[in-house]
Amino acid sequence: RKEVEQDPGPFNVPEGATVAFNCTYSNSASQSFFWYRQDCRKEPKLLMSVYSSGNEDGRFTAQLNRASQYISLLIRDSKLSDSATYLCVVNSPSGTYKYIFGTGTRLKVLA
Amino acid sequence: EPEVTQTPSHQVTQMGQEVILRCVPISNHLYFYWYRQILGQKVEFLVSFYNNEISEKSEIFDDQFSVERPDGSNFTLKIRSTKLEDSAMYFCASGGRHTDTQYFGPGTRLTVL
Repeated sequence: RKEVEQDPGPFNVPEGATVAFNCTYSNSASQSFFWYRQDCRKEPKLLMSVYSSGNEDGRFTAQLNRASQYISLLIRDSKLSDSATYLCVVNSPSGTYKYIFGTGTRLKVLA
Repeated sequence: EPEVTQTPSHQVTQMGQEVILRCVPISNHLYFYWYRQILGQKVEFLVSFYNNEISEKSEIFDDQFSVERPDGSNFTLKIRSTKLEDSAMYFCASGGRHTDTQYFGPGTRLTVL
């Protein structure tokens, strides 16, 4: 099983749509979870941290299910500017807490 | 807002040459990382650095690679003898604590010819 697994997409959705991304991780000892956004040939930028209680930031909602080792990201009312690759990131509990990245899910929001 | 900076933004080199990629992490951060991303692939961990020493390195980080924090601000990645397969984006990241969010620099695109 891959350490962090995501559906690579692409997801092509119309403006205003709601889209959901899922991610699973293999190490149950992982403690920190994140969604990063990456635009083409740019650095990953933090979108949000993910907590067991769930968290929301405007149009974005992230959820963590530790029992299923599953992380989700919901984007409501998609904008053209949301077009990017969304990276699921898990903090390895190996001692240095290096990041382990998923392959990313590509989103294209269409006018 | 403090940010991680990297230079150069693009480096072209011949196979077998040495390159040094430079990073200035966020000033009060203590944990430093290098990652790389080959075109079309996922971001991969290379090395982490804390308290002036390597704390973990991946299988990719072989004897051709080294890291240094030569002064209080810079953090460098050296590749001694570059190979074609070293062509990638190299991202530096820093964090305040080991469980903290990591902030990434804009990357250096390394092209080995």
